[in-house]
Amino acid sequence: EIVLTQSPGTLSLSPGERATLSCRASQSVSSTYLAWYQQKPGQAPRLIIHGASSRATGIPDRFSGSGSGTDFTLTISRLEPEDFAVYYCQQYGSSYIFGQGTKLEIK
Amino acid sequence: QVQLVQSGAEVKKPGASVKVSCKASAYTFTNYNMHWVRQAPGQGLEWMGIIRPSGDSTIQMFQGRLTMTRDTSTSTVYMELSSLRSEDTALYYCAREPTLGYNFDQWGQGTLVTVSS
Repeated sequence: EIVLTQSPGTLSLSPGERATLSCRASQSVSSTYLAWYQQKPGQAPRLIIHGASSRATGIPDRFSGSGSGTDFTLTISRLEPEDFAVYYCQQYGSSYIFGQGTKLEIK
Repeated sequence: QVQLVQSGAEVKKPGASVKVSCKASAYTFTNYNMHWVRQAPGQGLEWMGIIRPSGDSTIQMFQGRLTMTRDTSTSTVYMELSSLRSEDTALYYCAREPTLGYNFDQWGQGTLVTVSS
């Protein structure tokens, strides 16, 4: 079974800075099946990127996704206060798998 | 707008069963797969299973303890977990898979299930 490993576990940045979050798969996955979610405390996850690089409806363009094969990246170009949250990558292979998450916290 | 509204929090004793509902609105219920995902306190997301428009389901792990059903007349899906253990204490989410698939574009608000003696 494919394992998704996210890094770093915690990322401490200031508003206005650029955030780069990594998701590495234990074997190659199709970009079509790679998604990213944002989860804030007390809320359900929210889809932000699907197909590795397509923004979900209503997601601002400071969020972008890239990558292929085993390495995928979520980039937030200029952090806004509301972007500080936990981010999960997810892929579909023979099953639906989530990474363990990256906590993006205010420095 | 699309909504998934789940039933309220539950407290159960070990060995009991729990049934959580998820009522969908503002879209054609029978056109979409629905999933269940859980999140233990302070932990990450764990996919549990899928129920398809046909009523067929695929369940991961849970050794026969998990049943997923749906009622098309009320646009509601159900998740029933039996032989509850303390490690089943978690937030349980229903989540819709969009037409192009393989991710979750709409989520319920979550239902907290607490298993405690």
